[in-house]
Amino acid sequence: SQTIHQWPATLVQPVGSPLSLECTVEGTSNPNLYWYRQAAGRGLQLLFYSIGIGQISSEVPQNLSASRPQDRQFILSSKKLLLSDSGFYLCAWSKGFGANVLTFGAGSRLTVL
Amino acid sequence: AQSVTQPDIHITVSEGASLELRCNYSYGATPYLFWYVQSPGQGLQLLLKYFSGDTLVQGIKGFEAEFKRSQSSFNLRKPSVHWSDAAEYFCAVGARNTGTASKLTFGTGTRLQVTL
Repeated sequence: SQTIHQWPATLVQPVGSPLSLECTVEGTSNPNLYWYRQAAGRGLQLLFYSIGIGQISSEVPQNLSASRPQDRQFILSSKKLLLSDSGFYLCAWSKGFGANVLTFGAGSRLTVL
Repeated sequence: AQSVTQPDIHITVSEGASLELRCNYSYGATPYLFWYVQSPGQGLQLLLKYFSGDTLVQGIKGFEAEFKRSQSSFNLRKPSVHWSDAAEYFCAVGARNTGTASKLTFGTGTRLQVTL
């Protein structure tokens, strides 16, 4: 069966510091991968998605970037964090094309102080 | 562009009572529709989905939802709520035939509180 892992689960970082959140999927190949951010009372916002190694699409302009160095690895990064980057970050994967089911990881809570 | 509205931010029901969570969507054609549940500090779990066919769909944990095209709605229901159903519920809509990834649009969620 397929599993998705995110780490770290919790992170507290000072403003201006770098960020790296990692997501890996097991038990499948060539998944579509996604990063969502969940801010309090604002639902989920799609940040990035990837349909293959090195292929990244950004949905909103922001202080963050994403990379996919391997088929089942998706990384969310920032060079300098802002206070507004605080939130709950969720990685997800899906198979195939079109609006298929997303399967989510357990999330990473980022607090920027 | 597609959008989802969940008009109820917070709902409280007694254990054993029936539940209906509202979801309205905006999309130019028949969409894919989903309900997800999130426990505090956790990821989202799929409850059910509508792709085509029977407009009444059954999901896990005794939940069901009905797609009503005329009302652009996909309300979630459960006949008898259990205390363990307390969580946040998200409705989502996805476009058909995007040819790429599953770019779902989520509502802002409804937080369900269950009183004993």
